[in-house]
Parts: sequence; structure tokens; C-alpha cells
Amino acid sequence: GAVVSQHPSRVICKSGTSVKIECRSLDFQATTMFWYRQFPKKSLMLMATSNEGSKATYEQGVEKDKFLINHASLTLSTLTVTSAHPEDSSFYICSASRKHGTVNTEAFFGQGTRLTVV
Amino acid sequence: KQEVTQIPAALSVPEGENLVLNCSFTDSAIYNLQWFRQDPGKGLTSLLLIQSSQREQTSGRLNASLDKSSGRSTLYIAASQPGDSATYLCAVRTTQGGSEKLVFGKGTKLTVNP
Repeated sequence: GAVVSQHPSRVICKSGTSVKIECRSLDFQATTMFWYRQFPKKSLMLMATSNEGSKATYEQGVEKDKFLINHASLTLSTLTVTSAHPEDSSFYICSASRKHGTVNTEAFFGQGTRLTVV
Repeated sequence: KQEVTQIPAALSVPEGENLVLNCSFTDSAIYNLQWFRQDPGKGLTSLLLIQSSQREQTSGRLNASLDKSSGRSTLYIAASQPGDSATYLCAVRTTQGGSEKLVFGKGTKLTVNP
């Protein structure tokens, strides 16, 4: 299957600092990538859709100025958590979908990033 | 709004048993349905993808079925092994808010006891 690589897998940062998470599609080009946040015992929550060469689309309730997304190439999207607070501590996962024709088909996920803000 | 429900939330079985995980969704207008496995602290691994026009997919000891009209899918695991212990997530690809999205259930946590 296709490979999506996410880095780092774990990060601890101090309150008020910023953290960048990278998501790479290793063997296919992804015009669209997705960023999710996972809370314990809850469904994955879609935060935003990252579009190559254009602005990301954020879900309702997600602060675009806090969660900065950049999709500068067809294989790389980054999520920057700015001015991190302890409540931002969570598990963040990225995904890329490999297209078949004009329809996005199978979704592949990164390994996830455990962010702890102290 | 599409909602995905997985039952049961947790399941514990002895090794060797066959088992079924259930997934239901409220809106039958889906592009496809995907089953994932997630180990603790890890990302999601795609297990099976069923397109909306398909009825089932098989991979090794796994078989997934899809009944789009009734909004149901099942994941059948044959001859379960302790290594199958993980959380299994079901997700449907659908259009929401004008764009394609994956909508996830909360998962079923499976424990296979040796």
C-alpha cells in the first residue's frame, strides 16, 4: 500500500511555543491532504483539508490562525500549532488520498504525532 | 449529516474464534467505505476498501461486506490471533459541506486472548 510518513511521532513543547508537524506522501502525489485530531474514546475529528498550492479549508470551530497549514508541494503538508497551550495536547494524524480518475479513493494515514504541551 | 456508529465499542474473545465487527451509517450516499486498524499510539492502517458499487472485499483472514441501502458494513475476522488485538475503525467517504470527507466511527477495541 501507499506510504504516508508523519514526523515527529512525539513532541513535547512549552506553553507559548510553536510546533511544526510534517506529513509526506512517499510514493504518490497528493493534491489533497487531511489533518485530524484524535481524542480518547472519540472519533477522529477532521481539522482541515490541505490543498496543494492554495489555502487550506478548515472545519467549523477550528482556528485557522492557531493551526497553520501549508501544502507547498504535492508530497508535503505541514501543520504548525502556534502559541501552544496544554489543551492543544492531543494526537494529530495526517492523511493523503490516492486518486483514481477524478474520485479520491483510498485514504492512507501517517503514524500520528503525540503532542504534549507543558 | 452523516453519522457512523460502530458496535460493540469493545470486544474480548479467545484466540481462534471467528468474530464480526459492525458499522452502520445514516446516509447511504457514500463513495466508499474503508476499514482501518489502529494500534495504541499509532496511526491508522488501511485494511479493506469497498467501493459503493461493491458488496464485499477480502484480504487474508479479513472479509468486509457492504450493504449500502441499509447503511451497514461488517468486518469478519476468521481464526482470530492475539496479534489482531487493536482498535478497528470504520469510515465512509461522503460529501459534506461541498467537499469529500471521511467520516469515522468511534471504533471497536478488540482484545484477542491467548
